[in-house]
Amino acid sequence: AQKVTQAQTEISVVEKEDVTLDCVYETRDTTYYLFWYKQPPSGELVFLIRRNSFDEQNEISGRYSWNFQKSTSSFNFTITASQVVDSAVYFCALSEASYSSYKLIFGSGTRLLVRP
Amino acid sequence: NAGVTQTPKFQVLKTGQSMTLQCAQDMNHEYMSWYRQDPGMGLRLIHYSVGAGITDQGEVPNGYNVSRSTTEDFPLRLLSAAPSQTSVYFCASSSSGGMSLDTQYFGPGTRLTVL
Repeated sequence: AQKVTQAQTEISVVEKEDVTLDCVYETRDTTYYLFWYKQPPSGELVFLIRRNSFDEQNEISGRYSWNFQKSTSSFNFTITASQVVDSAVYFCALSEASYSSYKLIFGSGTRLLVRP
Repeated sequence: NAGVTQTPKFQVLKTGQSMTLQCAQDMNHEYMSWYRQDPGMGLRLIHYSVGAGITDQGEVPNGYNVSRSTTEDFPLRLLSAAPSQTSVYFCASSSSGGMSLDTQYFGPGTRLTVL
């Protein structure tokens, strides 16, 4: 069965520190998609990145970077030089790519607090 | 282009009452879904639809009903509200699914309290 584990319930850092949010997934499929969403205190869900299982290239977008390793079933998210505005709950999600599926399986989320 | 909209933003119900949470999207997306978010559990899929007239159950469908008469709208009905349905409800849509899964975009959420 599909499963996403975000073992870090809450992380607290001081502004300008780097922080890595861990995501480990389980699936029996060879084709699947991984996502990261951000949920700021205002409550909406903001899409950050989507990656398919055949693309293991790491991605960098500004201060954000993602490390996808199929060998360890991990899709970790790093924020470099964190800022107070990065304070939010971050969710990792998994979806199988099948002809009938587009369901997202979410991890339980990691709450990031960036202190000034 | 408003994206995905949800109404109401907040709702308080008494046990046994029924109500409908509204969801609409203006992106002509075929795929729509409803999730609930409970503390410490992430989001869980309630029901989803792959197009007008087609719906299916997700992970936690009991106590909820859906229909999809148009591409734009996907209402979620609570048949007889229970305190266990106190949650934040999110609607999402995407332009494609299956083998070419597109990103799901979420509405702002409805915070529901059942007393």
